[in-house]
Amino acid sequence: GNSVTQMEGPVTLSEEAFLTINCTYTATGYPSLFWYVQYPGEGLQLLLKATKADDKGSNKGFEATYRKETTSFHLEKGSVQVSDSAVYFCALSGRGGSNYKLTFGKGTLLTVNP
Amino acid sequence: GAVVSQHPSRVICKSGTSVKIECRSLDFQATTMFWYRQFPKQSLMLMATSNEGSKATYEQGVEKDKFLINHASLTLSTLTVTSAHPEDSSFYICSASPVGGGTSSYNEQFFGPGTRLTVL
Repeated sequence: GNSVTQMEGPVTLSEEAFLTINCTYTATGYPSLFWYVQYPGEGLQLLLKATKADDKGSNKGFEATYRKETTSFHLEKGSVQVSDSAVYFCALSGRGGSNYKLTFGKGTLLTVNP
Repeated sequence: GAVVSQHPSRVICKSGTSVKIECRSLDFQATTMFWYRQFPKQSLMLMATSNEGSKATYEQGVEKDKFLINHASLTLSTLTVTSAHPEDSSFYICSASPVGGGTSSYNEQFFGPGTRLTVL
């Protein structure tokens, strides 16, 4: 079956530091890949996505590249801000059928200090 | 756009009672709604998938008679936790996929803010 393994946190960084959160996946076929963010007390928001190999998703300074050869989708940001403090989830969605179920990683808590 | 609401945001109930949680898509119609359960410091676990006007599809290990799901319209799905017990205490999150919102690659899901259930 499908699975997602992401770097366990928590991750604590100073403002303007470089961020990497690793994510690897196991899936049959060619899944779509996502990063979701959950701010304290809120639901999940889609941060970025990539639907085929070598695609790069980007949003709000965050980037992730769909690497089929290494089955990875690592999240990066060059300079984090305090407002980026949240839980980040890597996820994948299979193809086909009428329902595209999401499989989530366990989430990584990021805390950015001023 | 694409806002999903949940009500209530928090509920505390006594053991043995039933609790209903509503999930609404406010500005779009949802063909499919999903219900997840999130344990502390853990990921989201898909409980069931519901399509408007048909029976929900439950994931393996999820009790159908305990977690009743109704998707009566294209904007509303409800999850009823029947005869709740302390082990049912959790954070329940719904998501909704828009009608015609799919592509050949994926069908985007928009998430609600979650409902914190505490069973005493």
